[in-house]
Amino acid sequence: DVKVTQSSRYLVKRTGEKVFLECVQDMDHENMFWYRQDPGLGLRLIYFSYDVKMKEKGDIPEGYSVSREKKERFSLILESASTNQTSMYLCASSLPGGDTEAFFGQGTRLTVV
Amino acid sequence: GENVEQHPSTLSVQEGDSAVIKCTYSDSASNYFPWYKQELGKGPQLIIDIRSNVGEKKDQRIAVTLNKTAKHFSLHITETQPEDSAVYFCAASMSFGNEKLTFGTGTRLTIIP
Repeated sequence: DVKVTQSSRYLVKRTGEKVFLECVQDMDHENMFWYRQDPGLGLRLIYFSYDVKMKEKGDIPEGYSVSREKKERFSLILESASTNQTSMYLCASSLPGGDTEAFFGQGTRLTVV
Repeated sequence: GENVEQHPSTLSVQEGDSAVIKCTYSDSASNYFPWYKQELGKGPQLIIDIRSNVGEKKDQRIAVTLNKTAKHFSLHITETQPEDSAVYFCAASMSFGNEKLTFGTGTRLTIIP
């Protein structure tokens, strides 16, 4: 059974904290993605990585950074959390190519207070 | 970049009736159009997809149609059942070059028993 695992289901952090969201996949996928999901806005791409140590900005990268030191792990970093980063964060992975199935984790609901 | 619009944002249908969700896209280079279903508390999961060389695809009660000239595609669910209640997302991407999936804003489908 293929799996994308996000380290936390729920997180509460304070404004200004540095926050790490971790994602691990066991399918040996080259591509990994971080999306943000907000009501009425759908899924918006923050960053994606198509190989170890490679990353590309998505549509809303401001305030975020990422790290991919190993193929199976993709981390999203909020350098200084702000209340407007309160959201559901979804990690996904896929094989190379724009027409391959993306497998999603169950999401991390982050609240910044 | 690609822009995907999705309508309606909410849809309620009687059990057994059909449901239709519509999406339009802006980039004529897009050639892959998947649909994802997100159940409560879970990440999105691929339910059906269509490529630009095909006008229609069916999988049991689910079908997707594509009109490349008009740049729109639709999801059709027939004989709806309570387990069809979920949020549905359309998306668009290119097979090669730009591997980012651009998602619509989502449709919350409720099946009324």
